[in-house]
Amino acid sequence: SQQGEEDPQALSIQEGENATMNCSYKTSINNLQWYRQNSGRGLVHLILIRSNEREKHSGRLRVTLDTSKKSSSLLITASRAADTASYFCAPSGNTPLVFGKGTRLSVIA
Amino acid sequence: NAGVMQNPRHLVRRRGQEARLRCSPMKGHSHVYWYRQLPEEGLKFMVYLQKENIIDESGMPKERFSAEFPKEGPSILRIQQVVRGDSAAYFCASSSIAGGQDNEQFFGPGTRLTVL
Repeated sequence: SQQGEEDPQALSIQEGENATMNCSYKTSINNLQWYRQNSGRGLVHLILIRSNEREKHSGRLRVTLDTSKKSSSLLITASRAADTASYFCAPSGNTPLVFGKGTRLSVIA
Repeated sequence: NAGVMQNPRHLVRRRGQEARLRCSPMKGHSHVYWYRQLPEEGLKFMVYLQKENIIDESGMPKERFSAEFPKEGPSILRIQQVVRGDSAAYFCASSSIAGGQDNEQFFGPGTRLTVL
């Protein structure tokens, strides 16, 4: 299984602070993706990092990937109340994506 | 370019009835995935289809559940003789490339099934 496991399960921060979420997985991958889910909605693709990349940026998002440790991290800088959501990682190979339980982020204004 | 569309958004069924959930992928996408999400849980993969073919149904219960993606029209997830445990949000996603290097999936808004 290529399921990722997100950590922590829940995270609560003040607006303006940075939020860091981690993902661990067990098998080799082609890429790793991060998704966000707002309450009651479908997932939204945030960023994809390939297995030969170590770091990637997109706006206030920064993703790292360490294939030797089979782990990834998602950093959201200068968080906003609108960032409140659940975040899922999806290690991806040649099989359908498998999602973990996610990290539930609460950003308090 | 319209995104992934699902209907109905909410569906209420009594035990024993049938539920039909529809998914229209993004234009140009020929790969469809169905997921189920229970409250406070992550998405559980159910089935992966291409046009007229089921590629991977390893996450779908063997009984009462079926899925299709015909040559014309939307993909349909069908649940026969629904039970209360089938109550969940069902999400559909589509992609233009199957597996491989990039497998970005675009999700629909989901169908919330409630079984009374």
